[in-house]
Amino acid sequence: QSALTQPPSASGSPGQSVTISCTGTSSDVGGYNYVSWYQQHPGKAPKLMIYEVSRRPSGVPDRFSGSKSGNTASLTVSGLQAEDEADYYCSSYAGNNNLLVFGGGTRLTVL
Amino acid sequence: EVQLVESGGGLIQPGGSLRLSCAVSGFTVISNYMSWVRQAPGKGLEWVSFIYSGGSTYYADSVKGRFTISRDNSKNMLYLQMNSLRADDTAVYYCATAKSTVTRFDYWGQGTLATVS
Repeated sequence: QSALTQPPSASGSPGQSVTISCTGTSSDVGGYNYVSWYQQHPGKAPKLMIYEVSRRPSGVPDRFSGSKSGNTASLTVSGLQAEDEADYYCSSYAGNNNLLVFGGGTRLTVL
Repeated sequence: EVQLVESGGGLIQPGGSLRLSCAVSGFTVISNYMSWVRQAPGKGLEWVSFIYSGGSTYYADSVKGRFTISRDNSKNMLYLQMNSLRADDTAVYYCATAKSTVTRFDYWGQGTLATVS
């Protein structure tokens, strides 16, 4: 069982927006502004899409955005495109003992 | 250009040992926080271990006492020595890093599969 809880699946049609949630506790998501989101296509390595809750690395389209409220973080993908179909994982810093925890992943399907 | 290339995976019997390697280019291993992250077949990501630039090491509870992370600064390599392997250690092991932080991974290798059976 993963430390952070994500819905197993999400879907949307091209052009629509979809939001994926990531629920933790006050020891991880709620305690630090260090939530990251990764995109993983089948057979590929994960790719950083969002860090520090809402910051985008260079090269990541601004269709991807992140937010956090309390112990729950969210990733929103706007203007869905076919290439956005992938697995998405959240992670959070969890302090000096456990360091980093991941969510179980959400498979995003573009209908 | 930053590149991380893992090697050393394979099939190993339960109770056995395996050493994974990660060849680093584009930066020096001593300057970054280096980590191993694994992904069991069809499952999610799991952080395994960190080595800080200063040399401190950290492990997930699931591997503590069995796995050892290390680096060779002269060869610019990262390693993961895995002992007392169990079936649930079967996974693709990724080498991952970010400069000056342990809160995210900016760069990932392509992964190497370790199968314990």
